[in-house]
Amino acid sequence: DAGVTQSPTHLIKTRGQQVTLRCSPKSGHDTVSWYQQALGQGPQFIFQYYEEEERQRGNFPDRFSGHQFPNYSSELNVNALLLGDSALYLCASSLVYGAKEQYFGPGTRLTVT
Amino acid sequence: QKEVEQNSGPLSVPEGAIASLNCTYSDRGSQSFFWYRQYSGKSPELIMFIYSNGDKEDGRFTAQLNKASQYVSLLIRDSQPSDSATYLCAVILLSGAGSYQLTFGKGTKLSVIP
Repeated sequence: DAGVTQSPTHLIKTRGQQVTLRCSPKSGHDTVSWYQQALGQGPQFIFQYYEEEERQRGNFPDRFSGHQFPNYSSELNVNALLLGDSALYLCASSLVYGAKEQYFGPGTRLTVT
Repeated sequence: QKEVEQNSGPLSVPEGAIASLNCTYSDRGSQSFFWYRQYSGKSPELIMFIYSNGDKEDGRFTAQLNKASQYVSLLIRDSQPSDSATYLCAVILLSGAGSYQLTFGKGTKLSVIP
């Protein structure tokens, strides 16, 4: 049973650039959430996708955007990168929209220089 | 400000002892509570969830929920060095119908000493 997968594992970008991170949910899951985890902090909710639509959004600027594809995979895009965007970006999937349990992928470590 | 608070630790316990991790939350209407374990450099792993007042046991882990006191805890019996990790408490806060976002505490770092 394939778990949540994310790519790439690590990424280094320069301030002002744009980045796209990818996530495939656990087999059978149709809802994807994205979280940002800064060093020494708990994950912070960015947004959640279901049926290819953004259903909920946390307190993140419009520079953060996303997409969900018909196969339930998802992308997180961040424009105009800031040094403060350096973090571990985590994707979590849920069995169905409204399911409370969320299962995380291995994450993408983004470093902005 | 709706919050989830944990003691950052580190919490050190000897091997074989009971580790007790605590979490308080600000939103009295919260209904769903989770404990994640995160090893250094890895992603969070869901180990327990609890939705009703009382205790829920799974192997060496027991989650305890007291909604009146807005308090949730995780007990780890017979602690092992492999339990050394950061434990994250997460809550689905009552922020409107259909809200499923997890709000996390900063985590408690547990160290089990052989």
